[in-house]
Amino acid sequence: DTGVSQDPRHKITKRGQNVTFRCDPISEHNRLYWYRQTLGQGPEFLTYFQNEAQLEKSRLLSDRFSAERPKGSFSTLEIQRTEQGDSAMYLCASSSISDTQYFGPGTRLTVL
Amino acid sequence: KQEVTQIPAALSVPEGENLVLNCSFTDSAIYNLQWFRQDPGKGLTSLLLIQSSQREQTSGRLNASLDKSSGRSTLYIAASQPGDSATYLCAVEIDSGTYKYIFGTGTRLKVLA
Repeated sequence: DTGVSQDPRHKITKRGQNVTFRCDPISEHNRLYWYRQTLGQGPEFLTYFQNEAQLEKSRLLSDRFSAERPKGSFSTLEIQRTEQGDSAMYLCASSSISDTQYFGPGTRLTVL
Repeated sequence: KQEVTQIPAALSVPEGENLVLNCSFTDSAIYNLQWFRQDPGKGLTSLLLIQSSQREQTSGRLNASLDKSSGRSTLYIAASQPGDSATYLCAVEIDSGTYKYIFGTGTRLKVLA
């Protein structure tokens, strides 16, 4: 078990492009979370999966954002038509029912 | 709605000083509270996790306390070192179906050599 991994670690894109991030949780964890952290702020909750079901989405998750967790394993977060305001660190975390969340290293997105 | 506040927002101390970082939360219905360290441009490093039934946790030079009834937690750092310079984040895991974390905005600590 190597912990939660995220790919890519850094992404630079031009405004209007689509980007996709991947999160691989700890293998036995059935819960998966996405958070977003902008400069100078604490992370904010975006969405939550239990197995493959997306059970909660924050109002921060606009229509341009979509997250999936096929087969209850890895998860992807896609941002369509990126805007400069999407520049942030995107953090993924996973947990089992009786344990706390373990965070991945994050994907830093820069939108030019 | 749960809100987490951290005071001070920034702190600069000389090496060797003992210091206290404060965290307050508005709703005592929490599952646990966790303190994280974050270096610039990096992810989160977990420092201490306090379950809701616990009062404190210790790891090396770090001690964290939790008072659920008053909605407060403190992180005590003994004999601070320049390597302790980072942002320290407090987060509460809310006692709901999702158990998501609500984070404070952090305290930026600088320890001067």
